[in-house]
Amino acid sequence: DTEVTQTPKHLVMGMTNKKSLKCEQHMGHRAMYWYKQKAKKPPELMFVYSYEKLSINESVPSRFSPECPNSSLLNLHLHALQPEDSALYLCASSRLGRGGYEQYFGPGTRLTVT
Amino acid sequence: AQTVTQSQPEMSVQEAETVTLSCTYDTSENNYYLFWYKQPPSRQMILVIRQEAYKQQNATENRFSVNFQKAAKSFSLKISDSQLGDTAMYFCAFMKPPGTYKYIFGTGTRLKVLA
Repeated sequence: DTEVTQTPKHLVMGMTNKKSLKCEQHMGHRAMYWYKQKAKKPPELMFVYSYEKLSINESVPSRFSPECPNSSLLNLHLHALQPEDSALYLCASSRLGRGGYEQYFGPGTRLTVT
Repeated sequence: AQTVTQSQPEMSVQEAETVTLSCTYDTSENNYYLFWYKQPPSRQMILVIRQEAYKQQNATENRFSVNFQKAAKSFSLKISDSQLGDTAMYFCAFMKPPGTYKYIFGTGTRLKVLA
């Protein structure tokens, strides 16, 4: 199973709402990533978890709050977002180690902030 | 800091023809990894091919092959016998191990395969 799943596929939320994005993988990967992608642009890294601990935060605003409850699951909690936060949010996972392990991406959640 | 440049924002190719997408990068590292990812209009990113910098042999994966020129810091992707399903955005990515697990992506090349 080389699949990363993400729910929901689409999300529309107001600026005062609280919502969460979910990502799941069952490949035994111990690194998980959140990316933000605007149209026709490359993904921008937001967070990296390794061994369920936050290892990289790319200076993301606190209205985005990641959580890694276990080695298979990654959440992104959203609160008080701005319209400019509308984007495709991608989750990815990879092995950890000294090799250059490729990342497996999920299909993404299309987020619209109104 | 590492940078990755894809100088061709858009390209098109006739079905069954061959096309080459270019990627150059800048790094002072000797050991690193390079990847090509494909993102079709359905938006899921898929790994096309990877190259380890310490390997001189160019990676191949069916119709996809790379021309890795380490001294020139060039990593181009050749797609042979192009198919309509190859229509996608292609991203070149650089990763410096170990420990960072961060990709540096290029800006992407939008490839359209014409029937």
